[in-house]
Amino acid sequence: SQKIEQNSEALNIQEGKTATLTCNYTNYSPAYLQWYRQDPGRGPVFLLLIRENEKEKRKERLKVTFDTTLKQSLFHITASQPADSATYLCALDISGGGADGLTFGKGTHLIIQP
Amino acid sequence: GAGVSQSPSNKVTEKGKDVELRCDPISGHTALYWYRQSLGQGLEFLIYFQGNSAPDKSGLPSDRFSAERTGGSVSTLTIQRTQQEDSAVYLCASRPLGLAGYEQFFGPGTRLTVL
Repeated sequence: SQKIEQNSEALNIQEGKTATLTCNYTNYSPAYLQWYRQDPGRGPVFLLLIRENEKEKRKERLKVTFDTTLKQSLFHITASQPADSATYLCALDISGGGADGLTFGKGTHLIIQP
Repeated sequence: GAGVSQSPSNKVTEKGKDVELRCDPISGHTALYWYRQSLGQGLEFLIYFQGNSAPDKSGLPSDRFSAERTGGSVSTLTIQRTQQEDSAVYLCASRPLGLAGYEQFFGPGTRLTVL
């Protein structure tokens, strides 16, 4: 079965710096890879999606890369702010058809220190 | 509604009791998903509905779990004879059908505690 590893349970970054989160997966590459943000007591909120034939996707201060050779995605937050503190989840959409649901990593708890 | 809603937000029950969790998806979203998030674990996919139909129920943890959806809208997840290991946050998500790979919209979850 597909396994997903996110680089660390917790990551402390100084405000203003770039935070880089890692998502590694085993086995076959998904059709799509998604990143979500989850705040305590809330459901995940979608941030970015990248397709298997895409190398990079950007949205404002966010950037996602996807390397199917390394079986890895990197998620970057530039000019980080304390409000960016949350748990970030990597999710694989294996088939793209949706019937299999998303396969999630355990998440990385990001703390941006003022 | 504006988003996916779930009820109750919190449920405390005694071992052996049955519980029913409800999900109201975003209006017009044909695809609906249930996930479970246990402490320290990632979200675990349970079941998918396309309209009122669930093609594959193999993701449900045991035969004590069942789910249904009526009218292509509201879905309920029922857990019979609850066990302590069922304690978790149960999340529901929806999305429009036909948009492969597109985001899922999550509800706030129901926190279930089995004593």
